[in-house]
Amino acid sequence: GAGVSQTPSNKVTEKGKYVELRCDPISGHTALYWYRQSLGQGPEFLIYFQGTGAADDSGLPNDRFFAVRPEGSVSTLKIQRTERGDSAVYLCASSPQANTEAFFGQGTRLTVV
Amino acid sequence: TQLLEQSPQFLSIQEGENLTVYCNSSSVFSSLQWYRQEPGEGPVLLVTVVTGGEVKKLKRLTFQFGDARKDSSLHITAAQPGDTGLYLCAGRNAGNNRKLIWGLGTSLAVNP
Repeated sequence: GAGVSQTPSNKVTEKGKYVELRCDPISGHTALYWYRQSLGQGPEFLIYFQGTGAADDSGLPNDRFFAVRPEGSVSTLKIQRTERGDSAVYLCASSPQANTEAFFGQGTRLTVV
Repeated sequence: TQLLEQSPQFLSIQEGENLTVYCNSSSVFSSLQWYRQEPGEGPVLLVTVVTGGEVKKLKRLTFQFGDARKDSSLHITAAQPGDTGLYLCAGRNAGNNRKLIWGLGTSLAVNP
């Protein structure tokens, strides 16, 4: 597709479960970002990939959160032992290079019950 | 911690009115971006300003970057219901320009 694709669009999970959120960036974009957005708030930075490596993971809130991008394209955000406070919209964005315009996906709405 | 403060947080106006949204910080940014986000969608970039004092126009939207590159404003003339959405400002600083610092957003409702 032409844009950033995120799956699933909605995910409901029970507290304590493990979830994976997927991001397919725009083809050829080397930079990929994960953000978390709560209702009525701006996006909160989680992690930034340049190619396959995590260039900046300073926004990950704790060690339950982990993200990978093994082939420099698709990325997966993994959350272990989910908590109700993890409920939010998780946004992925990609850009051709590090500080050029970023294009956002529609997000995955995660609800932990 | 760098912060971008947006005001107002909520704005409800009638079609045809003018409005201004402000984005302020005590920090200097190398560039500042304005985004618009609709429910269920990701933010979409409207404009990037990089030069102090710069003014950019996008149809009925006018964006200004402060002379000191610490603040910005978005002015909408003759608002339309289609302008309804969440308006977000985000800045990059010179030290770490890979990471965007985001404001909390201004939720705009334009009533017909």
